[in-house]
Amino acid sequence: EAGVAQSPRYKIIEKRQSVAFWCNPISGHATLYWYQQILGQGPKLLIQFQNNGVVDDSQLPKDRFSAERLKGVDSTLKIQPAKLEDSAVYLCASSLDWTRADTQYFGPGTRLTVL
Amino acid sequence: AQTVTQSQPEMSVQEAETVTLSCTYDTSESDYYLFWYKQPPSRQMILVIRQEAYKQQNATENRFSVNFQKAAKSFSLKISDSQLGDAAMYFCAYSYNNAGNMLTFGGGTRLMVKP
Repeated sequence: EAGVAQSPRYKIIEKRQSVAFWCNPISGHATLYWYQQILGQGPKLLIQFQNNGVVDDSQLPKDRFSAERLKGVDSTLKIQPAKLEDSAVYLCASSLDWTRADTQYFGPGTRLTVL
Repeated sequence: AQTVTQSQPEMSVQEAETVTLSCTYDTSESDYYLFWYKQPPSRQMILVIRQEAYKQQNATENRFSVNFQKAAKSFSLKISDSQLGDAAMYFCAYSYNNAGNMLTFGGGTRLMVKP
């Protein structure tokens, strides 16, 4: 069974530029999560999708971050414009269904460096 | 708000010995889930073990076991017969169904295994 795929693995940009990350969850997983992990800290949830609907985006900085999951499968997370403090690893995870506390499976993450 | 605290930033253990990683959490919920995730340098989060709060029996997975003290809100991880491949960051995490199963992570403990 293929795991959660993410791309790119690394990205370096200048502040005020835009960047997008892509995630392909495990086949059949209805729930998809984006987490931000700043160096030396635990991951923090940014947004959660159930199929193509948003379950929770309370911690997403909506003035610069956006995310979509149009067909209920792949998802993209965008930052526009990026700030220095956005330097972090962006982790995507998926689970069968959020209502049963199903195990979340994580992708390898995208390491973003903002200069 | 739910919080998860890992008070040991770093731990080291001799190969084949036993080590215990500590975790405490704060919640007013009665039905919740606790997890230990391992994050090696490759960054991929891997579930080590999970515990349902309604279960009194401590979870075990091969060399990994937990000591779940619900009244004390404590959830420690014991690794027996430590192996070099156990070296990684370990994160304690919490979730409950009413929050959409989102994970709240602690700050992590870096485990070093000495040959």
